[in-house]
Amino acid sequence: SYELTQPPSMSVSPGQTARITCSGDNLPNQYAYWYQQKPGQAPVRVIYQDSKRPSGIPARFSGSSSGTTATLTISGVQAEDEADYYCQSADSSATYFFFGTGTKVTVL
Amino acid sequence: QVWLVESGGGLVKPGGSLRLSCAASGFTFSDYYMDWIRQAPGKGLEWVAYISGTGTAIYADSVKGRFTISRDNARNSVYLQMNSLGGEDTGLYYCARDHLGGFDYWGRGTLVTVSS
Repeated sequence: SYELTQPPSMSVSPGQTARITCSGDNLPNQYAYWYQQKPGQAPVRVIYQDSKRPSGIPARFSGSSSGTTATLTISGVQAEDEADYYCQSADSSATYFFFGTGTKVTVL
Repeated sequence: QVWLVESGGGLVKPGGSLRLSCAASGFTFSDYYMDWIRQAPGKGLEWVAYISGTGTAIYADSVKGRFTISRDNARNSVYLQMNSLGGEDTGLYYCARDHLGGFDYWGRGTLVTVSS
């Protein structure tokens, strides 16, 4: 099985920048995707193919990937960004999907 | 507008079976891979299975041999037949559309509880 590791939690003040990392051995060869999940709601994709932002997602969300680490950056965090965030990628053969362990972001 | 609506969840005894359904609308269903993803209470997301537009299916190791994903393109629906259920299968099951290697639309989920 393939593991994608995220920090369990982080706290950030409004207006500050949150950087959430996702570590995985296959990330140099597979894209990373990011999802936001608020309590009682289905996940929402916020970044796809490492750094692309879907329509309707605020510009303060950005993504990058370098080596075995992908990063979701939320610039100018707002209270509404408080949520769980999951990265997702695939195994080396791009056959199986895996989610990261999840990061709970608290806005102070 | 893309809609995915899951149904079929419920309470089932260990060792039992359940069939989940997902009705899709708002897009050309047969053009897309479709996936099932689950989330145990208070836990993270776990990919379960996907099926191509023509019926090729791939499963996570945790469900291989017990779950079967299928689809009916005429009915714009995808299904998940779950057999030999155990407590570890308890959770909210989401149907999701697979696009560019990720999941761009999700349903609201259907809850499966395995308990005696």
